[in-house]
Order: sequence, then C-alpha cells, then structure tokens
Amino acid sequence: GDSVTQMEGPVTLSEEAFLTINCTYTATGYPSLFWYVQYPGEGLQLLLKATKADDKGSNKGFEATYRKETTSFHLEKGSVQVSDSAVYFCALSDRGETSGSRLTFGEGTQLTVNP
Amino acid sequence: DTAVSQTPKYLVTQMGNDKSIKCEQNLGHDTMYWYKQDSKKFLKIMFSYNNKELIINETVPNRFSPKSPDKAHLNLHINSLELGDSAVYFCASSQAFGRYEQYFGPGTRLTVT
Repeated sequence: GDSVTQMEGPVTLSEEAFLTINCTYTATGYPSLFWYVQYPGEGLQLLLKATKADDKGSNKGFEATYRKETTSFHLEKGSVQVSDSAVYFCALSDRGETSGSRLTFGEGTQLTVNP
Repeated sequence: DTAVSQTPKYLVTQMGNDKSIKCEQNLGHDTMYWYKQDSKKFLKIMFSYNNKELIINETVPNRFSPKSPDKAHLNLHINSLELGDSAVYFCASSQAFGRYEQYFGPGTRLTVT
C-alpha cells in the first residue's frame, strides 16, 4: 500500500537557519504530493503541492520538488522564522478510484524555531 | 468566513456515551472526509463522502457512523464511546473526488474519561 516516511523530529533551529525536512514515499500509482502545516491548536493548512515529476511547489518561502527517481518530496526553506514553528506533514494522494481521494500522511515533524 | 467548520471544538464525555461531531463547508465542494489524529499526531482517514455517497470506509469500528444530509455537511456519530476513541477528529473537503488538495477544519478534540 501507499506510505510516506518523514524525517524524525523534533527539529530545533535558530532563526534565519536553513530548513530541510526529508520526505520519501511509496505509491502504487503516480501520486500527487503535498506538504501540510499544523500550527498549535489549529487544523491543517495546505502549504504547497506538486502533481507531477519535477514540479516544484512553493509558498511562503517554502519549496519542495517532486523527484520521481528518488521518490522524494523534501521541504526546504532558506531562512526560518519563529512563526514557522509548527508540525509539518508530508502527504500523498494516489491515483485509483478510491485511493485518489485519500490522503496518506507521514508521521509529522515538529519544528521549533528559537529567536 | 470559515471554509470548513466543526462543532464542537472540545468534547469531554464518559465511556459508554453517544456523541456527535458536526462539520460544514462553504466552499461548494463535492467531497468531504473525516480523519483521526492520535496522540502522536498521526493522521488516518476514516471516511469519505462524495455528493452524499459513502466512498471510503476504512477499518473503523461500526460504532462510528458518518451521515451526510447534503453536500455541505458531514457529521460523525459515535456510539458507546471508549477510552481509545480519545483523539482529535478533523473534517476536510475537496473540490471533487480525486487527487485534489483537501481543506481541513479546525478539529474536534474528543476526550473520553
């Protein structure tokens, strides 16, 4: 079945540091890939997405590139801020009559950014 | 205007009780979902409805029964609550059935004592 593996957290960085959160996936089809962010006490917000190989999703300074050859979708940001502190989830949505409407999530990575 | 809303935000109840969580979306989407987030923040789909029709029904105890009175609403009723049902339940919606991004509600934190 489909699965998503994220780097283990928690991750603690200083403000303006470079961020990478690794994400790799296993899928039977050709999935769409997403990064969601969950701020404390809130629901999930879509951060960015990519729907085909070599697509780069970007939003709010975050970016991730769909790498089919390495089945990866790593999240990066050049300079993190305290306000980026949150839990980040990598997710995929696969093709298929029912699986296409199902998000499979990674375990989530807690990011804390210190001033 | 909140796109996907859930009520209540917090729900504390005793084992054996029956409770409902309501979800509404004002995005005009066709497809709605329920996800469960456990204490380790792991998210797993429970149900999906498309145009009021049940499409996805994961391995969820039959104490959980979703109901979709119309495309904009998807409620979750839970019978005979157990301690293990304690979690955060998220409603979500997407434009249509397929590989579309999903928009999530704020979640309902259910605590069973």
